Amino acid sequence: QVQLVESGGGVVQPGRSLRLSCVASGFTFGSYAMHWVRQAPGKGLEWVTVISYDGSDIDYADSVKGRFTISRDNSKNTVYVQMNSLRVEDTAEYYCARGNDYRPDYWGQGTLVTVSS
Amino acid sequence: NFMLTQPHSVSESPGKTVTISCTRSSGSIATDYVQWYQQRPGSSPTSVIYEDNQRPSGVPDRFSGSIDTSSNSASLTISGLKTEDEADYYCHSYDSTNQVFGGGTKLTVL
Repeated sequence: QVQLVESGGGVVQPGRSLRLSCVASGFTFGSYAMHWVRQAPGKGLEWVTVISYDGSDIDYADSVKGRFTISRDNSKNTVYVQMNSLRVEDTAEYYCARGNDYRPDYWGQGTLVTVSS
Repeated sequence: NFMLTQPHSVSESPGKTVTISCTRSSGSIATDYVQWYQQRPGSSPTSVIYEDNQRPSGVPDRFSGSIDTSSNSASLTISGLKTEDEADYYCHSYDSTNQVFGGGTKLTVL
């Protein structure tokens, strides 16, 4: 069955960096685009970024452009998001999700990132 | 960039039918597919409708999706409501470089 397991969340000070990872299993990872979507505590979903199946096409939300970088390693069935210059407003549960270039279809359980001094 | 606007909350009784709307602020609702996700408390979102009106495997046919170009909106309709349908529902769509979720609608089944 499809499994997506996120890791790397934690508490970090404003301005610092964090890298999240998402390990996939149960499907052919290299055939799917991968998304990151976040949800601030008690708030709605916010799409963050997507990477195409082969890494050749990447998009970012305006709120993270220039600070976050998505990448993938198809040999390790893993997608990453490098988050730099973190802000208090980046505090959220971060979900990775399988999908195609324009929509997620299956979501992981999430990892919590808290940005606080 | 466009926005998707949903009602904050809806409520209905078990066995009844409820419809949740999602209005696109700019650009045609018909140009880019609309998805719907269900999120129960404490859980990750799951897909209930994709590509306007397609149901993923395992989603009951009580769930249906549609679009209305006259109001530039999409709708999720749930018939034969069950208490297990109580959740937050989010619409989603995209354009050439951006993806957007609606603000979410809390469905209460009482």
